Amino acid sequence: DVKVTQSSRYLVKRTGEKVFLECVQDMDHENMFWYRQDPGLGLRLIYFSYDVKMKEKGDIPEGYSVSREKKERFSLILESASTNQTSMYLCASSRQGRLETQYFGPGTRLLVL
Amino acid sequence: DAKTTQPPSMDCAEGRAANLPCNHSTISGNEYVYWYRQIHSQGPQYIIHGLKNNETNEMASLIITEDRKSSTLILPHATLRDTAVYYCIVRGNSGGSNYKLTFGKGTLLTVNP
Repeated sequence: DVKVTQSSRYLVKRTGEKVFLECVQDMDHENMFWYRQDPGLGLRLIYFSYDVKMKEKGDIPEGYSVSREKKERFSLILESASTNQTSMYLCASSRQGRLETQYFGPGTRLLVL
Repeated sequence: DAKTTQPPSMDCAEGRAANLPCNHSTISGNEYVYWYRQIHSQGPQYIIHGLKNNETNEMASLIITEDRKSSTLILPHATLRDTAVYYCIVRGNSGGSNYKLTFGKGTLLTVNP
């Protein structure tokens, strides 16, 4: 079974703090994704990585950066957290050439005060 | 990507089959039908996908009509843990920069004891 894990289920941070969200997958998948999910807005792609050290911006990259130093790990960084970044953050992975079959982690619910 | 239409909600008795419909009348020849679900407070979960033949796996069966304008996801023996929002997505093959998943509103399936 594919397993995608995220470092925290719940996180509370203050405005202006630097926040790191970690995601690890154990299936040797090439592709990894970061989404955020908000009520009424559905799933929105923040960043996508198709290989180590490679990344592409999604629909809403502003205020975020990512790091992929190892194949199994994809980190999302909020350089200076703001209240409008309060959301559910979801990490996913998929095999090369199988972008539509994505396996998701449990999500991190982030609250920025 | 072709637009999909799903009923907003459905109920099913525990132990009975749950049949979730999806209309995708504008589907084109190379587009697949994918199904995901999301249990409350969890990440989305891939269920199954197909092109034109019926498909079955350990989770569900997918029936696609001959004209491919609609499909039905079948959970043969629904359990309480199958209560979730079910998303039908129509996508072409991986290619270009079209790698994000776009979820519509889906169908909230409630399995009742």
